[in-house]
Amino acid sequence: QKEVEQNSGPLSVPEGAIASLNCTYSDRVSQSFFWYRQYSGKSPELIMSIYSNGDKEDGRFTAQLNKASQYVSLLIRDSQPSDSATYLCAVNKESNFGNEKLTFGTGTRLTIIP
Amino acid sequence: KAGVTQTPRYLIKTRGQQVTLSCSPISGHRSVSWYQQTPGQGLQFLFEYFSETQRNKGNFPGRFSGRQFSNSRSEMNVSTLELGDSALYLCASSMWTPLHEQYFGPGTRLTVT
Repeated sequence: QKEVEQNSGPLSVPEGAIASLNCTYSDRVSQSFFWYRQYSGKSPELIMSIYSNGDKEDGRFTAQLNKASQYVSLLIRDSQPSDSATYLCAVNKESNFGNEKLTFGTGTRLTIIP
Repeated sequence: KAGVTQTPRYLIKTRGQQVTLSCSPISGHRSVSWYQQTPGQGLQFLFEYFSETQRNKGNFPGRFSGRQFSNSRSEMNVSTLELGDSALYLCASSMWTPLHEQYFGPGTRLTVT
């Protein structure tokens, strides 16, 4: 089982609709969760971080975390063509030895259709 | 505040050579992590440095090494290059630990011929 799993897509969403991206993780002690957006040929850009159960909203983006079910999701409201990109889910965990690292999913390719 | 910078942006090397990549973190950030990104494997963690010490290492061969300087700038070195080392190498910095938000540099595109 992969540590962080995402549906690779492509996910096609009409402009103005809600895009829903999902991510599951295997390690129950994971504590930090991040969503990155990566345009083709560019480096990942941090768009959301979430640390506790529930929803976190930032503009058109909402991150949702459910630690009991070990999933984290990203909702993009009022989708725009500029949202077309690959979205990477990243999960971290704290270690007593200070050797934390981010583990990334393989990403979901999102296409917003005008 | 300036972002993470990486040099060079592009490199072409031949098999057997070695290469050194450089990363300057965001001012005030002390943790620097390195990643390799390829179409087939996605983003793979290489290592993380804090206060000039390697705190964590991914599953890469010993040909991949790194270091961090007292000003938090970091370098990674790949010796005896192989064709499979062709990838985008990304550096990311965070305040204290990768538990916190990490910000990526633009990357160095390495092509091995």
